[in-house]
Amino acid sequence: QKEVEQNSGPLSVPEGAIASLNCTYSDRVSQSFFWYRQYSGKSPELIMSIYSNGDKEDGRFTAQLNKASQYVSLLIRDSQPSDSATYLCAVNMFTSGTYKYIFGTGTRLKVLA
Amino acid sequence: SQTIHQWPATLVQPVGSPLSLECTVEGTSNPNLYWYRQAAGRGLQLLFYSVGIGQISSEVPQNLSASRPQDRQFILSSKKLLLSDSGFYLCAWSVQGARAYEQYFGPGTRLTVT
Repeated sequence: QKEVEQNSGPLSVPEGAIASLNCTYSDRVSQSFFWYRQYSGKSPELIMSIYSNGDKEDGRFTAQLNKASQYVSLLIRDSQPSDSATYLCAVNMFTSGTYKYIFGTGTRLKVLA
Repeated sequence: SQTIHQWPATLVQPVGSPLSLECTVEGTSNPNLYWYRQAAGRGLQLLFYSVGIGQISSEVPQNLSASRPQDRQFILSSKKLLLSDSGFYLCAWSVQGARAYEQYFGPGTRLTVT
């Protein structure tokens, strides 16, 4: 079983709709959770971080964490064509004396104008 | 504010040639530093991480090495490149603090081994 799993997509949504991106992780020791956006040919950009169960909102983005189900999601409201990118889920855990980050392979999002 | 630099941005090297990629961080002290590789259409693979000067941990045995000669400088090297070393190399930093454990990436170096 992969440590962090994401549906590779592509996930296609019409402009103005809500895009829902999901991620599951296997390590119950994981402490912090992150969502990155990566445009083609560019480096990943951190857009959300979440540490506690529940929802965290930042503008059009909402991250949701459920540690009991080992599930983290990202909602993008009022999706725009500029949101078209690959979204990477990452999990942080403390091991061997430092914090390591485990990444999923990403979900490709297409917002259709 | 913190800034991370990587150079060069792109590199084309023949098989068997040496490699040196450099990463520097500004605006923070004692960061944790990381080297990742992202092959075309694939996920991020952690190569090395460092918690301080001269302290390097390797995640994947291969023909690459890393060094941290200064607090905010991280270097990725190879004596002889392989075709399989092609990819997008990303340096990242994180630091414990108010926004603990968030990790930020540099712009990356795209390496093509021919």
